[in-house]
Amino acid sequence: NAGVTQTPKFQVLKTGQSMTLQCAQDMNHNSMYWYRQDPGMGLRLIYYSASEGTTDKGEVPNGYNVSRLNKREFSLRLESAAPSQTSVYFCASSEDRGNTEAFFGQGTRLTVV
Amino acid sequence: AQRVTQPEKLLSVFKGAPVELKCNYSYSGSPELFWYVQYSRQRLQLLLRHISRESIKGFTADLNKGETSFHLKKPFAQEEDSAMYYCALIASGGSYIPTFGRGTSLIVHP
Repeated sequence: NAGVTQTPKFQVLKTGQSMTLQCAQDMNHNSMYWYRQDPGMGLRLIYYSASEGTTDKGEVPNGYNVSRLNKREFSLRLESAAPSQTSVYFCASSEDRGNTEAFFGQGTRLTVV
Repeated sequence: AQRVTQPEKLLSVFKGAPVELKCNYSYSGSPELFWYVQYSRQRLQLLLRHISRESIKGFTADLNKGETSFHLKKPFAQEEDSAMYYCALIASGGSYIPTFGRGTSLIVHP
């Protein structure tokens, strides 16, 4: 079982460059999430999608956009990368029910120089 | 809005010592609580959830609604327990989005 797959695993960007982080899940989950992980800050929600075609802002959405093109895929785009966006990004998915486990991708380590 | 607080950024113990990783939450409704673990260079994975009342890898956690806590405990720490631990809350009846604490790094020395 692949579970949640993220690409790329590592990326270095120059300030102002753009890129898209890809995420796909094969568990038929409706809900998908993007988090960023920073030392001392834990996991903070960037955007989430409760179903195909819907997206909503999380705690730290500024500087990001997302697309939920189909049930499997949820991408995160940085239009103009900034050093403050240097972080580890995690995609996750879960079922729409209580006490449900969130399944995570392996993460993307992004450095903006 | 709900909040999860893990007061310790780092917890350092010796092998065989008891471990308690603290988690406090604020939420006006009935919460669903979880512990996730991230071993070095691996993805986050569920360790246990309060509703299951189970022991995983020797770890247990009890929901204390009076103290709004969900502390993670293990009587005898092992070196392989060294990892990052995150407490998470889902607001029942809501959008099922997990809210995470900032995490506690557990280091178990030989």
